[in-house]
Formats: sequence, C-alpha cells, structure tokens
Amino acid sequence: QSVLTQPPSVSAAPGQKVTISCSGGSSNIGSNYVSWYQQLPGTAPKLLIYENTKRPSGIPDRFSGSKSGASATLDIAGLQTGDEADYYCLAWDSSLSAGVFGTGTKVTVL
Amino acid sequence: EVQLVESGGDLVQPGGSLRLSCAASGFTFSAYDMHWVRQGTGKGLEWVSCIGSGGDTYYSDSVKGRFTISRENAKNSLYLQMNSLRAGDTAVYYCARVGRNALDIWGQGTMVTVSS
Repeated sequence: QSVLTQPPSVSAAPGQKVTISCSGGSSNIGSNYVSWYQQLPGTAPKLLIYENTKRPSGIPDRFSGSKSGASATLDIAGLQTGDEADYYCLAWDSSLSAGVFGTGTKVTVL
Repeated sequence: EVQLVESGGDLVQPGGSLRLSCAASGFTFSAYDMHWVRQGTGKGLEWVSCIGSGGDTYYSDSVKGRFTISRENAKNSLYLQMNSLRAGDTAVYYCARVGRNALDIWGQGTMVTVSS
C-alpha cells in the first residue's frame, strides 16, 4: 500500500500553474530524497525531478520540485495540453527498507 | 543508447510461477542498483523490489517470501522470479535503473496476468 499521499486530481487552464503535494513521514520523505515521475497514457513512467529539486537534462524548467520536512511538492507552470498525465512521487522508506510511491495525481488541462 | 527491455510476461494460473527478465544495454550494468515496479490495470505504481550493485536485496511486504530478485552482470540482465502467484499480482512489470538517487531509466514493461 502507498504511504505517500497525493491528491487524486488537479486541473487548470493552459498557461496556468498546478501544484501537486506528496505527504509522507519522517522515515521516508523526512529523511530521504524524493523523485517525481510523469506517466503519459499507455507509456512507461519518466523521471521529472530527482534529489527533491533537480531536473534531468531535457526536462523543461516549467517543472520544479521542493521539499519541506515530510512533504514534497511538484509545481507545473505554464501548463500545456501535453502535460496531461499521471504524476507520482517516490521516496525510500528507511523503516520499511522499501521504496514507496505516492498514490498518484491525474493532471487535467481544462 | 541506454535501454532496458523486459520480457517473460505471460498468462499464468493462480499458484503458478513465472520468471521475468530485463535486458540492459548502453551502460555498465554491474555498477547500478536496479528496481522492479508494477502497475495493475487502472491503478497506481507499486514498488516491488530492488537489488544493489553489490547484490543486497529488498522487497515489498506484498511479495516478500514469494518473489526473488537477482542479477547476472555477465549477461547484463536483471530477473524477477515470481512464485505462488495470486490474482493481485496481475500487472505490468517495469524494470528501472537507479541514477541520481532516482529511477532514471525505465523499460517498456511486460504484462503478467494471473487467472484461471
């Protein structure tokens, strides 16, 4: 089961900004790196953010990540229709000795 | 090109076994930790297991004691031996590479269906 909680869905008009939260605990987000993934329909997940705030090459700076305590956030600015996808956070849980994904958030561009 | 290609997915009866493979290319496989992640139809991503470059292994509670992760560096291959399969194990299984403390490279997935 997921121990990281995300909102099921967020939506906004093109050009606007959405924020996706990922809430965990001291044994996962609170003490380990968070990464974020984008999954377009019918495709494998793709890394968007690593080590809480960093973007791999090729990921637009419209995508940004942050972390505070036991929570993390993914912001998507200048929303585009191509951003419609499911988004997941991931962290290692030191108590479980296991990886834990967030529950996932569906982004809809209105 | 850095690439991961899964294979071995199939239809299997409850209680049966299956072995998934993940072929790596374009990078020094032996130097990287590797993970398996699964996704049931219409469901979210679920972490399954990982193996370190040194061979240490970890499992989710849902598969512990039934699944075994392994690697064969000489063949640039990752495996997931799945025993005592249940309907709840039905999912697309992805292998992924650890880079920069994240899963930076993913395969395309292989489908496992557990049904009578």
